[in-house]
Amino acid sequence: EAGVAQSPRYKIIEKRQSVAFWCNPISGHATLYWYQQILGQGPKLLIQFQNNGVVDDSQLPKDRFSAERLKGVDSTLKIQPAKLEDSAVYLCASSSTGAGETQYFGPGTRLLVL
Amino acid sequence: GNSVTQMEGPVTLSEEAFLTINCTYTATGYPSLFWYVQYPGEGLQLLLKATKADDKGSNKGFEATYRKETTSFHLEKGSVQVSDSAVYFCALFTGGFKTIFGAGTRLFVKA
Repeated sequence: EAGVAQSPRYKIIEKRQSVAFWCNPISGHATLYWYQQILGQGPKLLIQFQNNGVVDDSQLPKDRFSAERLKGVDSTLKIQPAKLEDSAVYLCASSSTGAGETQYFGPGTRLLVL
Repeated sequence: GNSVTQMEGPVTLSEEAFLTINCTYTATGYPSLFWYVQYPGEGLQLLLKATKADDKGSNKGFEATYRKETTSFHLEKGSVQVSDSAVYFCALFTGGFKTIFGAGTRLFVKA
């Protein structure tokens, strides 16, 4: 089966610009996650969707980050405006129910903010 | 709150050496425990997991035992290969629909 797809793989922007990332989860997976992974740290959950509803967005900086999952399938994560500290790898993952089973990760989008 | 603590890396070993990467956790309730691995240029993938106390997860020669009395889930392999060079993440799921990851431990295996 096809894995989790993400694009772009790399993005370089200047601070105060906006950027968007796209994720297509494994077919049939109800739960989709966006993580931020800063160099040398573990992934930090930004937002979790169950179908097209938000389960947890407690660590999403809502003044600049937004995410949507229309129709309960693919998802976009947007940053506007970007700050230097947003430089990180943004990982998308999916799982079938979200109840503690295996998460399947995409390759990530590496963002550099200059 | 819930947390995961891993030993700091990098860990550098020669091929065929014994590997231990320590992981301890703090959690309420009875979490499920995971080890994920991230090979260079790739996304994270599940290596093994254990869902209850005294369970042993195993895969690709790696093992980890869920020790509730010591709140630990140490990763071990008897004989590492160069291809095992990667970053290893310990993680827990507590039922609040959130997985918490450790900071990761980078492993280098020399031929």
